[in-house]
Amino acid sequence: ETGVTQSPTHLIKTRGQQVTLRCSSQSGHNTVSWYQQALGQGPQFIFQYYREEENGRGNFPPRFSGLQFPNYSSELNVNALELDDSALYLCASSSGLEYYEQYFGPGTRLTVT
Amino acid sequence: AQKITQTQPGMFVQEKEAVTLDCTYDTSDPSYGLFWYKQPSSGEMIFLIYQGSYDQQNATEGRYSLNFQKARKSANLVISASQLGDSAMYFCAIHRGGSEKLVFGKGTKLTVNP
Repeated sequence: ETGVTQSPTHLIKTRGQQVTLRCSSQSGHNTVSWYQQALGQGPQFIFQYYREEENGRGNFPPRFSGLQFPNYSSELNVNALELDDSALYLCASSSGLEYYEQYFGPGTRLTVT
Repeated sequence: AQKITQTQPGMFVQEKEAVTLDCTYDTSDPSYGLFWYKQPSSGEMIFLIYQGSYDQQNATEGRYSLNFQKARKSANLVISASQLGDSAMYFCAIHRGGSEKLVFGKGTKLTVNP
């Protein structure tokens, strides 16, 4: 196990609703990245938080937003859910920007109906 | 922009044999890193191996080795002595130096047969 935890494990929401996903980073890690993995695809970068500040963003609309707390845990918020938002959402933590030590959590599987 | 291509949607191998999973990449940056991750059906991405663009030696981690051919822009993963537990999706990814993100390929599903 990597020490990165995510909650909830599974979630079912209705189109138009809002959802919050949570990630607790590995001890000592101050960077959290979020990825969306649609069925049959590789993960796509959503955004990254480094020491509580957004440090980069992928090609996702503003209804995808995030937050990082002083203990470096993080939230991913998605507003106005669409059917295409159904995916596995992965968070990954690392110490600084050392990507070869980036560890992923088990993911949250979101289904939008 | 960086791009990863994995041309093998699925691969089959007999237990105890070696298998090579292909990965080619495209980047114009001189500094980058290449990664392989394993994703079992449980969903968690498990880091396997890393190769930096300036590393002279091919990376090895236990039964995993990375066949890095910089001129051909390929970074194939070799798994020796396959085990049933190696059955999973395998993703190749690239990270550009100074960038904040990993770019992943579409993955290869490996099935190890007894």
